Amino acid sequence: DAGVIQSPRHEVTEMGQEVTLRCKPISGHNSLFWYRQTMMRGLELLIYFNNNVPIDDSGMPEDRFSAKMPNASFSTLKIQPSEPRDSAVYFCASSLGTSGTHEQYFGPGTRLTVT
Amino acid sequence: GESVGLHLPTLSVQEGDNSIINCAYSNSASDYFIWYKQESGKGPQFIIDIRSNMDKRQGQRVTVLLNKTVKHLSLQIAATQPGDSAVYFCAENLKTSYDKVIFGPGTSLSVIP
Repeated sequence: DAGVIQSPRHEVTEMGQEVTLRCKPISGHNSLFWYRQTMMRGLELLIYFNNNVPIDDSGMPEDRFSAKMPNASFSTLKIQPSEPRDSAVYFCASSLGTSGTHEQYFGPGTRLTVT
Repeated sequence: GESVGLHLPTLSVQEGDNSIINCAYSNSASDYFIWYKQESGKGPQFIIDIRSNMDKRQGQRVTVLLNKTVKHLSLQIAATQPGDSAVYFCAENLKTSYDKVIFGPGTSLSVIP
């Protein structure tokens, strides 16, 4: 298996533009997580899905952020409009999602720079 | 509230020595703990986990110790190697929060050749 796949790996955009980050979880995994990592705030959980359904979105910063999971093999995180303070590395992770199994497999991340 | 805390430590060890990375957690309801390793430019990678019904678990060159009395977790790395240089995160899972884990701020480990 190729592991969790994220695209793009790097994104540079101007303030006000829409940004869409993409994630393909490991096949067979039922849970998917979006994290944001910055030096100031560390690794923050934004939202997670189980069986394509959002379970906890309490970490989503504000309405400018939205996430979808239309099927078991694809998820997007969208920021509209983007702001400089959104600059961070965004990680997607997946796990089997079964009781007692919590190991999360992380993708390589998308480094977002908003100017 | 839910929190896992590392107080921004940086640890430097000589190659071949043992390393000990510490972590304090605040939620006594947490029943599962995980250590992750993050190398520069990569996503975190699972190292080892432990359940609250255990106080020690060993892996290859790594040992995790759990002290529920003082809500403390540690990761011991034996015979530290240059490839162990990374940021290490502890994370906790609440029994009632399904798959959600809360990550601590991380400890940077530097191995001196």
